[in-house]
Amino acid sequence: TQLLEQSPQFLSIQEGENLTVYCNSSSVFSSLQWYRQEPGEGPVLLVTVVTGGEVKKLKRLTFQFGDARKDSSLHITAAQPGDTGLYLCAGAGAAGNKLTFGGGTRVLVKP
Amino acid sequence: DSGVTQTPKHLITATGQRVTLRCSPRSGDLSVYWYQQSLDQGLQFLIQYYNGEERAKGNILERFSAQQFPDLHSELNLSSLELGDSALYFCASGGLPNTGELFFGEGSRLTVL
Repeated sequence: TQLLEQSPQFLSIQEGENLTVYCNSSSVFSSLQWYRQEPGEGPVLLVTVVTGGEVKKLKRLTFQFGDARKDSSLHITAAQPGDTGLYLCAGAGAAGNKLTFGGGTRVLVKP
Repeated sequence: DSGVTQTPKHLITATGQRVTLRCSPRSGDLSVYWYQQSLDQGLQFLIQYYNGEERAKGNILERFSAQQFPDLHSELNLSSLELGDSALYFCASGGLPNTGELFFGEGSRLTVL
């Protein structure tokens, strides 16, 4: 069974601060996705990373896939209250037909 | 709007009862995935169907079953309900062999009293 561990579980910061969320596993994933979930809604995809060492930027969000494709990080610069939500990483195995989700990191950005 | 429709949005029932959750995938998607999310937890994969056939199975209890119909909608049946089954149940469509992205419905919140 492939397991993904996210850290921290909860993060509370002030508007304008930076934050980093980590997603780690002992397994290799063919790709890794990051989702954000807001209360009362389903998760929404933010990004997919496929290549080891890959870095993707989405406005103030920077995603990195580890060289060995076992870990990933999400960095948010100058966080806004609108960034508040549950951030989930999800890894796809070799077959690619099943995503394994991490436990999530709940981020609270206070104005 | 993800294009994935789930009903009902909320359901309250008693222990020992049986419920059915329904999902209509995005137009054109052949895969349906079911996930369970307990309070403030991540998503636990239950089961996947592709074009009517079971494709992958996760930690789905024997009391739970699912199927996908010819029109591609899917139902998740939960029986002999226990207090611990209270959770959000999400349906998603998409995945491979498309882009790999999953499109989630808004979920069905099940409360077992």
